[in-house]
Amino acid sequence: DAGITQSPRHKVTETGTPVTLRCHQTENHRYMYWYRQDPGHGLRLIHYSYGVKDTDKGEVSDGYSVSRSKTEDFLLTLESATSSQTSVYFCAISDPGGLQPQHFGDGTRLSIL
Amino acid sequence: AQSVTQLDSQVPVFEEAPVELRCNYSSSVSVYLFWYVQYPNQGLQLLLKYLSGSTLVKGINGFEAEFNKSQTSFHLRKPSVHISDTAEYFCAVSGCDNYGQNFVFGPGTRLSVLP
Repeated sequence: DAGITQSPRHKVTETGTPVTLRCHQTENHRYMYWYRQDPGHGLRLIHYSYGVKDTDKGEVSDGYSVSRSKTEDFLLTLESATSSQTSVYFCAISDPGGLQPQHFGDGTRLSIL
Repeated sequence: AQSVTQLDSQVPVFEEAPVELRCNYSSSVSVYLFWYVQYPNQGLQLLLKYLSGSTLVKGINGFEAEFNKSQTSFHLRKPSVHISDTAEYFCAVSGCDNYGQNFVFGPGTRLSVLP
């Protein structure tokens, strides 16, 4: 299995609080992605990174920010969580030649009350 | 922008029966097509992909898919399913159009294999 670890795996928090999710990889892959998964929508891209300090927005980036200070870590931050951000969040990685996300973490289930 | 349609949100099938999961995509100049599987409480795993060449693509776990350009389809098939195939299956497309290169997942099809 590809070495991708997401933390925490589960989190419950209140509206308006900041939340940070972490994705850690041991594969030294250049590309990292954050997706959210909601029923009927499949996976939608929030942000992605193509290198250290190189990030770009995805389809549903509003309300989210990311940072990548090291190759192995990609952080997703909800500055002020809202109930609409209740979802399952997945991190994924791919190597430079990949056309698509190749390996996924096991997900973080986030509930905003 | 690219879009992917999976018409069946749920597909129940009996063990050892054949199954087809349907996927259609919006047309583009060139596309690459993928199927992923998600088992409960896990991330997605790549089942197979079409990049070029033969339109019949074989993947892991006995699955195969056929690329049909004229019908803009990439249906997933397995001749005989097992209980362990119960999972959610996602079709995805990577394509280049007027909006640039993008990668999009379909909404998913939940396959339930019944004993």
